[in-house]
Amino acid sequence: DVKVTQSSRYLVKRTGEKVFLECVQDMDHENMFWYRQDPGLGLRLIYFSYDVKMKEKGDIPEGYSVSREKKERFSLILESASTNQTSMYLCASSLVRYEQYFGPGTRLTVT
Amino acid sequence: GQNIDQPTEMTATEGAIVQINCTYQTSGFNGLFWYQQHAGEAPTFLSYNVLDGLEEKGRFSSFLSRSKGYSYLLLKELQMKDSASYLCAVRDLGNTPLVFGKGTRLSVIA
Repeated sequence: DVKVTQSSRYLVKRTGEKVFLECVQDMDHENMFWYRQDPGLGLRLIYFSYDVKMKEKGDIPEGYSVSREKKERFSLILESASTNQTSMYLCASSLVRYEQYFGPGTRLTVT
Repeated sequence: GQNIDQPTEMTATEGAIVQINCTYQTSGFNGLFWYQQHAGEAPTFLSYNVLDGLEEKGRFSSFLSRSKGYSYLLLKELQMKDSASYLCAVRDLGNTPLVFGKGTRLSVIA
């Protein structure tokens, strides 16, 4: 069974703080993704990675950065959190051209 | 550009059959995926179509017509636990990320 884990289910941070969201997958998948999900807007892609140390911008990369130093781990970084980054953050992984498997999500609140 | 449309909400009765439609316009096509997402949980993979026709998996079936840019998810013998959002997603080319529709929230009532 594919397992994608995320470091926190719930997180509360203050405006201006640096926030790290960690994602780990145990199935040796090449691809990893970060999405955010908001009511009425659906899933929107922030960044993705096809391989270690590679990253590609998705549809809404502004205010975010990522890091992939190891194949199994993909981190999302909010350099200076803002209230409009309050959202559900979902990490996913996949083999090349196959379905994506999602982690449980991190509900981030920025106050 | 990419555009995926599906109804926002649907309601159906326990034991009945429901069809959730999805239309898409993408620059290329390399597969259509359906996901189920219960409230507060992550999406889970349901089905995958890359060729025209019907794929059946237990109570769930998914149909694809590439020429029409159209798919549907068919749920039979509805159960209360099927109340969830159903997400249609398309991969347009090669190894690109899935593009998701906004989801259809299905309510199953007694």
